[in-house]
Amino acid sequence: AQSVTQPDIHITVSEGASLELRCNYSYGATPYLFWYVQSPGQGLQLLLKYFSGDTLVQGIKGFEAEFKRSQSSFNLRKPSVHWSDAAEYFCAVGVRYGGSQGNLIFGKGTKLSVKP
Amino acid sequence: DTAVSQTPKYLVTQMGNDKSIKCEQNLGHDTMYWYKQDSKKFLKIMFSYNNKELIINETVPNRFSPKSPDKAHLNLHINSLELGDSAVYFCASSQDIGDPEAFFGQGTRLTVV
Repeated sequence: AQSVTQPDIHITVSEGASLELRCNYSYGATPYLFWYVQSPGQGLQLLLKYFSGDTLVQGIKGFEAEFKRSQSSFNLRKPSVHWSDAAEYFCAVGVRYGGSQGNLIFGKGTKLSVKP
Repeated sequence: DTAVSQTPKYLVTQMGNDKSIKCEQNLGHDTMYWYKQDSKKFLKIMFSYNNKELIINETVPNRFSPKSPDKAHLNLHINSLELGDSAVYFCASSQDIGDPEAFFGQGTRLTVV
């Protein structure tokens, strides 16, 4: 069955430090992979996505993610974290049923706290 | 110009009541969804509609009834609300049924007391 695992429930980093959020997926076919961010009381904003091609994808707000098929991973990175990055981050895999239906399966999220 | 908009943003109601959440998208997408985010922030698909046709219904109690009057709107009606229905409900849309990239609304926080 398709699934997404985010092993870290909560991460705290210092402002200016680098960040890596982990994501592992289980999916039989070539995955469509996404990272979304949810700020407190807000909706979900797409940070970046991977469909095919270059395995290092750039997103908004200075984020990037690398798809590693051999490790079934799609980790999110940022070289220097800003206080405004404090939020909940969700990794998701886009699944298809019968070649047509599609929806997202989400991980349980990683809460990022940023200390001054 | 909000792409996917939901109303209301907050909804507090008593057990047993019936309530509706409305969703509209102006992206010209064919497919719309309802996702539920529980108290532990876990997000799960509830329904998807493609051009007003129900595609996915993920073991949701039949007290929940989605309605799509046209492809730009997908409303969620909930009968006989229960405490366990308290959650954040997100509407989303995507280009077509095979496109998993979804654009989300701001969410509706439903609290049942």
